[in-house]
Amino acid sequence: DTGVSQNPRHKITKRGQNVTFRCDPISEHNRLYWYRQTLGQGPEFLTYFQNEAQLEKSRLLSDRFSAERPKGSFSTLEIQRTEQGDSAMYLCASSKRTGVIYEQYFGPGTRLTVT
Amino acid sequence: RKEVEQDPGPFNVPEGATVAFNCTYSNSASQSFFWYRQDCRKEPKLLMSVYSSGNEDGRFTAQLNRASQYISLLIRDSKLSDSATYLCVVISNTGNQFYFGTGTSLTVIP
Repeated sequence: DTGVSQNPRHKITKRGQNVTFRCDPISEHNRLYWYRQTLGQGPEFLTYFQNEAQLEKSRLLSDRFSAERPKGSFSTLEIQRTEQGDSAMYLCASSKRTGVIYEQYFGPGTRLTVT
Repeated sequence: RKEVEQDPGPFNVPEGATVAFNCTYSNSASQSFFWYRQDCRKEPKLLMSVYSSGNEDGRFTAQLNRASQYISLLIRDSKLSDSATYLCVVISNTGNQFYFGTGTSLTVIP
């Protein structure tokens, strides 16, 4: 499968614990994005990387959230001291330039439940 | 003001019907636009890009109206398999951020 992959697919954790998610983008894609989606809403942008550089972060991304893409390939998103409000689907997408536009392709997501 | 506004629906239409969704955006400098489809508890999948001249892919037609700052998606001859949530996406003028609408829910009824 040459699509975007994410692990784990589901994560249940207790409030206050730290969690880390991994995203493996499509290999030739240089851009990687993280989103959060809750029920009834569209995906909300969290952050994006171009190669290994984190170029933009949303104001939604509190200090408890950190993302890395150390070698410009896979990325990790860590949430420290999880809160119940962090329960959501965390989506990763990768993209490359096609002509004048970037098309994004999503992974299956990691569903986080904080109890 | 939200970057992208979209009527959440739901739209319930019979098989064979034609249905249209609109989506408005706030930043007149936005350059690129897309429609994505999302099935229940699945990831969004790219449906089509939206070009200034409009574009068609089988039963699906996407249009862009820059003057009024909206994009539309028309689905003709609806199939049961078209039932899903349709998300409009607007790319910032820097090309760095993708803004998603809340999605419009479509159910095609036999």
